[in-house]
Amino acid sequence: GAGVSQSPSNKVTEKGKDVELRCDPISGHTALYWYRQRLGQGLEFLIYFQGNSAPDKSGLPSDRFSAERTGESVSTLTIQRTQQEDSAVYLCARASGPDTQYFGPGTRLTVL
Amino acid sequence: KQEVTQIPAALSVPEGENLVLNCSFTDSAIYNLQWFRQDPGKGLTSLLLIQSSQREQTSGRLNASLDKSSGRSTLYIAASQPGDSATYLCAVRKDNYGQNFVFGPGTRLSVLP
Repeated sequence: GAGVSQSPSNKVTEKGKDVELRCDPISGHTALYWYRQRLGQGLEFLIYFQGNSAPDKSGLPSDRFSAERTGESVSTLTIQRTQQEDSAVYLCARASGPDTQYFGPGTRLTVL
Repeated sequence: KQEVTQIPAALSVPEGENLVLNCSFTDSAIYNLQWFRQDPGKGLTSLLLIQSSQREQTSGRLNASLDKSSGRSTLYIAASQPGDSATYLCAVRKDNYGQNFVFGPGTRLSVLP
């Protein structure tokens, strides 16, 4: 596969709850990206990690969204007080460079 | 602000046909353009990458062209097969710094046996 696993694969939650999405890339790629894909739309960039720091957080849609990365490996995307418009597939990708990204299968989030 | 559109939104063709998918972008000042394939329940797989100085790239039955001045790219698939059924997305990068991909909404392709 692409060397990226994401969990859970599906998450259904109630409006107002917090959710945590996990991305687990194989080792050896210092860069990691998170994207959001709403139904019928293209990918929206959320945040980019270089190592454990995030030089570009410009895509995070609100302060309810946050992400962290530890050990230049696992990353978690947290959405607080979820809203129905947060429903989407959340994809992460490991990268050896911005043009060479290997995507995980995504987490489908449904907020009721 | 860069906007990327793709036409058609969905396409269904019989096996063996040649087909063209279209991608348009509003700001011609791009660094490169990339075509991806997305299968249901899976992430994206890169198909072809065209740098802004290039006119086309080929890989097997796939050929991607780029006309930067007119803000267009096409993905040509020859002799389509049922295994080509997927959603095809194009994405443009503005420059070589950080993350600045802008994705189109995709074309959902069905190749019927």
